Amino acid sequence: KAGVTQTPRYLIKTRGQQVTLSCSPISGHRSVSWYQQTPGQGLQFLFEYFSETQRNKGNFPGRFSGRQFSNSRSEMNVSTLELGDSALYLCASSPQGAGYGYTFGSGTRLTVV
Amino acid sequence: AQKVTQAQTEISVVEKEDVTLDCVYETRDTTYYLFWYKQPPSGELVFLIRRNSFDEQNEISGRYSWNFQKSTSSFNFTITASQVVDSAVYFCALSEGGASGSRLTFGEGTQLTVNP
Repeated sequence: KAGVTQTPRYLIKTRGQQVTLSCSPISGHRSVSWYQQTPGQGLQFLFEYFSETQRNKGNFPGRFSGRQFSNSRSEMNVSTLELGDSALYLCASSPQGAGYGYTFGSGTRLTVV
Repeated sequence: AQKVTQAQTEISVVEKEDVTLDCVYETRDTTYYLFWYKQPPSGELVFLIRRNSFDEQNEISGRYSWNFQKSTSSFNFTITASQVVDSAVYFCALSEGGASGSRLTFGEGTQLTVNP
Protein backbone atom coordinates (compact mmCIF):
# COMPACT_ATOMS: atom_id res chain seq x y z
CA LYS A 1 0.00 0.00 0.00
CA ALA A 2 1.61 3.25 -1.13
CA GLY A 3 2.05 5.99 1.45
CA VAL A 4 1.43 9.70 1.16
CA THR A 5 3.47 11.10 -1.71
CA GLN A 6 4.56 14.70 -1.86
CA THR A 7 6.24 16.36 -4.81
CA PRO A 8 8.67 17.90 -5.23
CA ARG A 9 10.91 17.05 -2.27
CA TYR A 10 12.95 20.23 -2.57
CA LEU A 11 12.20 23.58 -4.12
CA ILE A 12 14.04 26.87 -4.35
CA LYS A 13 12.06 29.95 -5.29
CA THR A 14 12.68 33.66 -5.45
CA ARG A 15 10.85 36.15 -3.30
CA GLY A 16 7.68 37.32 -5.03
CA GLN A 17 7.18 34.17 -7.07
CA GLN A 18 4.43 31.65 -6.50
CA VAL A 19 4.70 27.93 -5.88
CA THR A 20 2.45 24.88 -6.08
CA LEU A 21 3.04 21.78 -3.98
CA SER A 22 1.37 18.46 -4.63
CA CYS A 23 0.15 15.69 -2.36
CA SER A 24 -1.19 12.27 -3.29
CA PRO A 25 -2.92 10.65 -0.31
CA ILE A 26 -3.17 7.00 0.50
CA SER A 27 -5.71 5.30 -1.72
CA GLY A 28 -9.16 5.53 -0.16
CA HIS A 29 -8.32 8.45 2.11
CA ARG A 30 -10.68 11.37 1.66
CA SER A 31 -9.13 13.83 4.08
CA VAL A 32 -5.96 15.70 3.20
CA SER A 33 -4.41 18.31 5.45
CA TRP A 34 -1.36 20.53 5.18
CA TYR A 35 1.10 21.71 7.81
CA GLN A 36 3.97 24.15 7.81
CA GLN A 37 7.02 23.39 9.94
CA THR A 38 9.59 26.06 10.78
CA PRO A 39 12.23 26.19 13.53
CA GLY A 40 10.59 29.22 15.08
CA GLN A 41 6.89 28.35 14.91
CA GLY A 42 6.99 24.58 14.94
CA LEU A 43 4.26 22.58 13.24
CA GLN A 44 1.29 24.71 12.27
CA PHE A 45 -1.94 23.66 10.63
CA LEU A 46 -2.67 25.27 7.28
CA PHE A 47 -5.91 23.70 6.08
CA GLU A 48 -7.76 20.46 5.57
CA TYR A 49 -9.82 19.23 2.67
CA PHE A 50 -12.42 16.51 2.76
CA SER A 51 -14.20 15.33 -0.38
CA GLU A 52 -13.03 18.40 -2.32
CA THR A 53 -14.28 20.87 0.31
CA GLN A 54 -12.17 22.87 2.69
CA ARG A 55 -13.32 21.71 6.10
CA ASN A 56 -10.95 23.61 8.35
CA LYS A 57 -8.45 26.41 7.98
CA GLY A 58 -5.56 27.60 10.10
CA ASN A 59 -4.41 31.13 10.78
CA PHE A 60 -2.43 31.89 7.64
CA PRO A 61 -2.74 34.79 5.19
CA GLY A 62 -4.73 34.47 2.02
CA ARG A 63 -1.53 33.94 0.03
CA PHE A 64 -1.80 30.33 1.16
CA SER A 65 -4.49 28.40 -0.64
CA GLY A 66 -5.27 24.85 -1.54
CA ARG A 67 -7.63 22.58 -3.33
CA GLN A 68 -8.55 18.95 -3.56
CA PHE A 69 -9.47 17.04 -6.67
CA SER A 70 -12.06 14.33 -7.14
CA ASN A 71 -9.38 11.65 -6.80
CA SER A 72 -8.47 13.18 -3.38
CA ARG A 73 -5.12 14.47 -4.57
CA SER A 74 -4.42 17.90 -3.19
CA GLU A 75 -2.39 20.92 -4.15
CA MET A 76 -1.23 23.81 -2.05
CA ASN A 77 -0.36 27.17 -3.54
CA VAL A 78 1.59 30.04 -2.05
CA SER A 79 1.58 33.30 -3.95
CA THR A 80 3.92 36.28 -3.62
CA LEU A 81 6.49 34.28 -1.69
CA GLU A 82 8.25 35.84 1.26
CA LEU A 83 11.50 34.81 2.90
CA GLY A 84 9.51 33.70 5.93
CA ASP A 85 7.67 31.11 3.85
CA SER A 86 10.81 28.98 3.81
CA ALA A 87 9.75 25.83 5.60
CA LEU A 88 9.04 22.13 5.42
CA TYR A 89 5.49 21.64 4.16
CA LEU A 90 3.93 18.39 5.27
CA CYS A 91 0.83 16.75 3.90
CA ALA A 92 -1.20 14.21 5.85
CA SER A 93 -4.04 11.97 4.80
CA SER A 94 -6.73 10.13 6.70
CA PRO A 95 -9.79 8.08 5.79
CA GLN A 96 -12.08 10.63 7.42
CA GLY A 97 -10.36 12.52 10.19
CA ALA A 98 -8.46 12.37 13.44
CA GLY A 99 -10.33 9.39 14.81
CA TYR A 100 -8.90 7.28 12.03
CA GLY A 101 -5.35 8.59 12.34
CA TYR A 102 -3.23 10.69 10.05
CA THR A 103 -0.38 9.45 7.87
CA PHE A 104 2.19 12.03 6.84
CA GLY A 105 4.27 12.34 3.71
CA SER A 106 7.98 13.11 3.64
CA GLY A 107 7.33 16.77 2.99
CA THR A 108 8.45 19.43 0.55
CA ARG A 109 11.27 21.65 1.71
CA LEU A 110 10.75 25.10 0.27
CA THR A 111 13.53 27.65 0.32
CA VAL A 112 12.74 31.24 -0.64
CA VAL A 113 15.74 33.37 -1.60
CA ALA B 1 -8.64 26.70 22.38
CA GLN B 2 -6.57 23.57 22.26
CA LYS B 3 -2.96 23.57 23.33
CA VAL B 4 -0.19 21.02 23.75
CA THR B 5 2.90 21.60 25.85
CA GLN B 6 6.07 19.56 25.74
CA ALA B 7 8.23 21.18 28.36
CA GLN B 8 11.35 19.18 27.56
CA THR B 9 13.08 20.75 24.59
CA GLU B 10 16.02 18.37 24.52
CA ILE B 11 16.85 15.15 26.31
CA SER B 12 20.14 13.30 26.07
CA VAL B 13 20.57 9.77 27.43
CA VAL B 14 23.00 6.91 27.14
CA GLU B 15 21.92 3.80 25.32
CA LYS B 16 19.87 1.32 27.41
CA GLU B 17 18.59 4.04 29.72
CA ASP B 18 14.83 4.50 30.09
CA VAL B 19 13.48 7.89 29.09
CA THR B 20 10.08 9.55 29.53
CA LEU B 21 8.81 12.32 27.30
CA ASP B 22 6.19 14.54 28.87
CA CYS B 23 3.07 15.93 27.20
CA VAL B 24 0.41 18.12 28.78
CA TYR B 25 -2.65 19.23 26.85
CA GLU B 26 -5.53 21.67 27.17
CA THR B 27 -8.95 21.26 25.64
CA ARG B 28 -12.56 22.03 26.44
CA ASP B 29 -13.88 19.18 24.36
CA THR B 30 -14.95 15.97 26.01
CA THR B 31 -14.18 13.99 22.86
CA TYR B 32 -10.67 14.33 21.56
CA TYR B 33 -7.72 12.31 20.29
CA LEU B 34 -4.11 12.35 21.35
CA PHE B 35 -1.17 11.30 19.21
CA TRP B 36 2.55 10.78 19.35
CA TYR B 37 4.70 11.13 16.25
CA LYS B 38 8.41 10.59 15.68
CA GLN B 39 10.36 12.77 13.25
CA PRO B 40 13.76 11.40 12.22
CA PRO B 41 16.23 13.63 10.35
CA SER B 42 14.60 12.65 7.05
CA GLY B 43 11.67 14.84 8.03
CA GLU B 44 8.73 12.49 7.73
CA LEU B 45 6.40 12.30 10.72
CA VAL B 46 6.05 8.68 11.75
CA PHE B 47 2.87 7.75 13.59
CA LEU B 48 3.41 5.99 16.92
CA ILE B 49 0.06 5.94 18.72
CA ARG B 50 -3.48 7.34 18.74
CA ARG B 51 -5.62 7.42 21.87
CA ASN B 52 -9.16 8.71 22.29
CA SER B 53 -10.34 10.60 25.34
CA PHE B 54 -12.54 7.76 26.55
CA ASP B 55 -9.78 5.21 26.73
CA GLU B 56 -7.46 5.78 29.67
CA GLN B 57 -5.82 2.41 29.53
CA ASN B 58 -2.08 2.54 29.35
CA GLU B 59 -0.54 0.91 26.33
CA ILE B 60 2.67 -0.94 25.73
CA SER B 61 4.17 -1.72 22.35
CA GLY B 62 7.55 -3.36 22.57
CA ARG B 63 9.93 -0.89 24.20
CA TYR B 64 7.35 1.90 23.98
CA SER B 65 4.67 2.64 26.54
CA TRP B 66 2.19 5.45 27.03
CA ASN B 67 0.54 6.74 30.18
CA PHE B 68 -2.69 8.68 29.65
CA GLN B 69 -4.12 10.50 32.68
CA LYS B 70 -7.15 12.71 32.14
CA SER B 71 -7.01 13.95 35.72
CA THR B 72 -3.72 15.71 34.98
CA SER B 73 -4.30 16.20 31.22
CA SER B 74 -1.13 14.34 30.46
CA PHE B 75 -0.13 11.76 27.87
CA ASN B 76 3.44 10.74 28.58
CA PHE B 77 5.62 8.47 26.46
CA THR B 78 8.29 6.17 27.84
CA ILE B 79 11.01 4.40 25.89
CA THR B 80 12.52 1.49 27.78
CA ALA B 81 16.12 0.46 27.11
CA SER B 82 16.67 3.26 24.61
CA GLN B 83 18.66 2.66 21.45
CA VAL B 84 20.62 4.98 19.16
CA VAL B 85 17.92 4.52 16.49
CA ASP B 86 15.44 6.18 18.86
CA SER B 87 17.23 9.49 18.34
CA ALA B 88 14.68 11.83 16.77
CA VAL B 89 12.28 14.65 17.53
CA TYR B 90 9.09 13.43 19.17
CA PHE B 91 5.83 15.34 18.90
CA CYS B 92 2.68 15.04 20.94
CA ALA B 93 -0.51 16.23 19.21
CA LEU B 94 -4.17 16.80 20.01
CA SER B 95 -7.26 16.78 17.83
CA GLU B 96 -10.63 18.02 19.01
CA GLY B 97 -14.02 17.44 17.46
CA GLY B 98 -14.35 13.70 17.67
CA ALA B 99 -13.53 11.17 15.01
CA SER B 100 -14.06 13.70 12.21
CA GLY B 101 -11.78 16.26 13.79
CA SER B 102 -9.64 17.69 11.08
CA ARG B 103 -6.90 19.62 12.79
CA LEU B 104 -3.90 18.48 14.79
CA THR B 105 -2.35 20.84 17.29
CA PHE B 106 1.24 19.89 17.95
CA GLY B 107 3.49 20.49 20.88
CA GLU B 108 6.88 22.07 20.39
CA GLY B 109 8.59 18.71 20.17
CA THR B 110 11.30 17.03 22.24
CA GLN B 111 14.67 16.33 20.64
CA LEU B 112 15.84 12.98 22.00
CA THR B 113 19.48 12.03 21.56
CA VAL B 114 20.56 8.54 22.52
CA ASN B 115 24.32 8.23 22.79
CA PRO B 116 26.13 4.92 22.38
